[in-house]
Amino acid sequence: NAGVTQTPKFQVLKTGQSMTLQCAQDMNHEYMSWYRQDPGMGLRLIHYSVGAGITDQGEVPNGYNVSRSTTEDFPLRLLSAAPSQTSVYFCASSYLGRNYGYTFGSGTRLTVV
Amino acid sequence: GQQVMQIPQYQHVQEGEDFTTYCNSSTTLSNIQWYKQRPGGHPVFLIQLVKSGEVKKQKRLTFQFGEAKKNSSLHITATQTTDVGTYFCAGHNAGGTSYGKLTFGQGTILTVHP
Repeated sequence: NAGVTQTPKFQVLKTGQSMTLQCAQDMNHEYMSWYRQDPGMGLRLIHYSVGAGITDQGEVPNGYNVSRSTTEDFPLRLLSAAPSQTSVYFCASSYLGRNYGYTFGSGTRLTVV
Repeated sequence: GQQVMQIPQYQHVQEGEDFTTYCNSSTTLSNIQWYKQRPGGHPVFLIQLVKSGEVKKQKRLTFQFGEAKKNSSLHITATQTTDVGTYFCAGHNAGGTSYGKLTFGQGTILTVHP
């Protein structure tokens, strides 16, 4: 099992550009989520999904879109990149329910200039 | 909304000293989870506590869940250089949906001087 795979690992964007961060898991987890990590801010939830076709907003959803067409994939789209979106992005998945720990991907370090 | 606060933000210790990080929630939690993130790495799940007053141990790590289920602590005895990293607590709000949304604290960055 590969676990949670995120691509790319690093990305530099110009302000106004769009891009998609990829996340795939092979553990048949129903729950998938995207977090951003900024110094001193911990991990903040952007969007999450409890299954294919179902997504919802987290704490900081503005400027990001998600879709969940399959159980395995949960891409995060930046519509028009801004310097404030410079961050490290983590995708995490788990079985549905509260008694399961999250499995995180290795992260995408994004810089917007 | 739910807030999870963690203190201290930074902790520097000499190898062999003990270390404790504290986690406090503004609301009652159904559970508390702890994660470790090595420098440059990703968070890794360590443990989950569910019951009021629960205490769990993993070798030199002791995890505690408060009686009111609003606070938690992680204590490391005799730190080693391999303990370096950021420790996060995270919790689900009591009530609400069955899956909930996991809210993370800001993390405590631990450095260990050999």
